[in-house]
Amino acid sequence: AQKITQTQPGMFVQEKEAVTLDCTYDTSDQSYGLFWYKQPSSGEMIFLIYQGSYDEQNATEGRYSLNFQKARKSANLVISASQLGDSAMYFCAMGDASGQNFVFGPGTRLSVLP
Amino acid sequence: DADVTQTPRNRITKTGKRIMLECSQTKGHDRMYWYRQDPGLGLRLIYYSFDVKDINKGEISDGYSVSRQAQAKFSLSLESAIPNQTALYFCATSKGSLYEQYFGPGTRLTVT
Repeated sequence: AQKITQTQPGMFVQEKEAVTLDCTYDTSDQSYGLFWYKQPSSGEMIFLIYQGSYDEQNATEGRYSLNFQKARKSANLVISASQLGDSAMYFCAMGDASGQNFVFGPGTRLSVLP
Repeated sequence: DADVTQTPRNRITKTGKRIMLECSQTKGHDRMYWYRQDPGLGLRLIYYSFDVKDINKGEISDGYSVSRQAQAKFSLSLESAIPNQTALYFCATSKGSLYEQYFGPGTRLTVT
């Protein structure tokens, strides 16, 4: 079975600094996808970034990048130049190629300090 | 207009009542999902559907049922609500297996 672990329940970062949110996963599949979502206090789920298991390059989307280390089964999210609006819950998620298994981690609450 | 909508946005109901949560999407995606979110547990998959005739149980389907009325509509029912079904419920859609899911705004359900 697939599993996502996020070991940081809460993180603080100073505005304009970079922060790394940890995510490790467990799967026996060869083909899978890793996703990060943001959930602000308003409650909606916002897709941030995707990494495929066969992608050789780390994914980047604006200030977001995904540090994918396949051998270590980790998919950490890096947010550069943090902004106050980045304060939110962040969820790491994983899906397999069949689409029948999609799991989320418990989330990390990020607080950006002015 | 939002691509994925959910109604109602908030609902308070009593134990034993039947309740239906509705989801509609304009993204044209075949795949639709229902999740519940509880504090500290992330999101857990209740049911998913790959097309109108394909419905599958997720991790926590007990106590729930679904109906896929059309490509764009996917409803979740609680046949006899109980207090531990109090949660935030999300509908989502996706284009395929290894594509991101697009979420509705959520329905906050309270069962008293």
